[in-house]
Amino acid sequence: NAGVMQNPRHLVRRRGQEARLRCSPMKGHSHVYWYRQLPEEGLKFMVYLQKENIIDESGMPKERFSAEFPKEGPSILRIQQVVRGDSAAYFCASSPSSGRTSSAQYFGPGTRLLVL
Amino acid sequence: AQSVSQHNHHVILSEAASLELGCNYSYGGTVNLFWYVQYPGQHLQLLLKYFSGDPLVKGIKGFEAEFIKSKFSFNLRKPSVQWSDTAEYFCAVIPSGGGATNKLIFGTGTLLAVQP
Repeated sequence: NAGVMQNPRHLVRRRGQEARLRCSPMKGHSHVYWYRQLPEEGLKFMVYLQKENIIDESGMPKERFSAEFPKEGPSILRIQQVVRGDSAAYFCASSPSSGRTSSAQYFGPGTRLLVL
Repeated sequence: AQSVSQHNHHVILSEAASLELGCNYSYGGTVNLFWYVQYPGQHLQLLLKYFSGDPLVKGIKGFEAEFIKSKFSFNLRKPSVQWSDTAEYFCAVIPSGGGATNKLIFGTGTLLAVQP
């Protein structure tokens, strides 16, 4: 089984440009999570999505960041007008279900975003 | 606010030494607990998880962790480390119970270097 796939693995953008990060969950998984790892810090939750629904976006910056998980295709994390502080590793994870007996989340390889 | 503390940021051991990495969380309710490992150049992999039942959990590669509810701790252990265990280790928690979503709260990680 293919694991969680993310692309691109590395992304370089200049300040003011847009970054689009893609995540394809594991087969059979319908829940997607995005996390961000800033330099010298642990992973921080950003957003939790199910197909066509944002369940929890409490970790998303209020501006410039958006996420979607359409009915068809990968989940997309979009960062508009990037700034140097957006440079980080962005990880996607997926799980087959959620609820009181939470399933473990399986992580992709991450996208390393560098903003020049 | 809910948080996860990993007190050892860097650990250096010789091969065959025993390992214990500390993890404490601040949440009074039911929790699901995880240890993830990130080998150099690779993505996060699940080492072990605790949802309920026996508080001593066995994971892959000879790792185990013990959930001590009274101490809010979930320490990771391995009786004899190998050079290949060199990696960064992350403790994570999902506070479960009514209204909670499935977001992982991570510690800042512990970098383990095993000397041959």
